[in-house]
Amino acid sequence: TQLLEQSPQFLSIQEGENLTVYCNSSSVFSSLQWYRQEPGEGPVLLVTVVTGGEVKKLKRLTFQFGDARKDSSLHITAAQPGDTGLYLCAGNQGAQKLVFGQGTRLTINP
Amino acid sequence: NAGVTQTPKFQVLKTGQSMTLQCAQDMNHEYMSWYRQDPGMGLRLIHYSVGAGITDQGEVPNGYNVSRSTTEDFPLRLLSAAPSQTSVYFCASSYGQGMNTEAFFGQGTRLTVV
Repeated sequence: TQLLEQSPQFLSIQEGENLTVYCNSSSVFSSLQWYRQEPGEGPVLLVTVVTGGEVKKLKRLTFQFGDARKDSSLHITAAQPGDTGLYLCAGNQGAQKLVFGQGTRLTINP
Repeated sequence: NAGVTQTPKFQVLKTGQSMTLQCAQDMNHEYMSWYRQDPGMGLRLIHYSVGAGITDQGEVPNGYNVSRSTTEDFPLRLLSAAPSQTSVYFCASSYGQGMNTEAFFGQGTRLTVV
């Protein structure tokens, strides 16, 4: 049983479109992180959200933490081919024990 | 900065063989951990360490051993490899346990057990 459920697992869209990736859990986390992973590389941190209801923006990426700190979303506006990659959400269980979702493999077609 | 360095990058083992995956970090981080990544499963925690001499089990520890004799190094040992251990392994380190702490990952070791 996956503690963190990501959806969709695969997404292929055209350049310029908007998209949202969801990360849901029945558990409460002290914080939730989003990572991006390129082929042949390890994940790289994009953002950490800590407070329920928190919204953080990173250029065209908007991250939101649910009010109950059980879910999060990643919204990309006007997607570009450079956004292609594997996006992973991870919940912090304390002492740096991260629980990861299955990942969303995003492809942006020119 | 080298960051987190994993060796080897690729390895093929026969069932029953043993090997050690190496992980070293040069950031003086206290926390280090090992994950495995399988298709459709995300990353799953194998073992972790909160400092030299201290290790603990994660979600999927069976078949793996670790030790932490220095701050810099955190090797992962497979004593008797099985095909189910075919995976990509990632080592990570971080500098604390605060909620905003970032985990830095190595480039991974792709292991195939035949």
